[in-house]
Amino acid sequence: DSGVTQTPKHLITATGQRVTLRCSPRSGDLSVYWYQQSLDQGLQFLIQYYNGEERAKGNILERFSAQQFPDLHSELNLSSLELGDSALYFCASSETGGTEAFFGQGTRLTVV
Amino acid sequence: DAKTTQPNSMESNEEEPVHLPCNHSTISGTDYIHWYRQLPSQGPEYVIHGLTSNVNNRMASLAIAEDRKSSTLILHRATLRDAAVYYCILRARSNDYKLSFGAGTTVTVRA
Repeated sequence: DSGVTQTPKHLITATGQRVTLRCSPRSGDLSVYWYQQSLDQGLQFLIQYYNGEERAKGNILERFSAQQFPDLHSELNLSSLELGDSALYFCASSETGGTEAFFGQGTRLTVV
Repeated sequence: DAKTTQPNSMESNEEEPVHLPCNHSTISGTDYIHWYRQLPSQGPEYVIHGLTSNVNNRMASLAIAEDRKSSTLILHRATLRDAAVYYCILRARSNDYKLSFGAGTTVTVRA
């Protein structure tokens, strides 16, 4: 158990809908990272937060947004969903930017 | 972002050592070298990291070249559970320690 909790574990929704994925980082970790992994694809970095502030942005679509709250949990919002958004979404956390990161078990999103 | 280069795949026999190379010729002085692995159907898992000196932990050893342009992850006795994709990543203070994954090396362990 990495200590990073992602909910829900599975999500099935229709095209055009909006979903929110939640991530609770390990206790004390200030940095949160989000990734997308499509079937048989690599891990695509989406976005990174540190203590509530956005720090780095990757290949995140405009339909996607994220935020980190004062209690340090983070949410990834995906809207106007398309079939191609079906993927595993991982969250990771680390104490600071340079220390080891720990990953959650992911949320499997299926868009039908 | 400073880039890393890894072989696409490597094979090993069970209980033999595995040496996974990583080239990072454009590394800067403050870049950390991190290694993660991803087992099938699981989230990535931290393996080890270092800056300049060689590092050991319960999972593996990290050997860093003197000029820091390359490093090697060493799994001392491979088990079937070590079959995974291994990622070598540079984390730079200059880009807020972004944790960006490449294609990695797929390690196959033969029984």
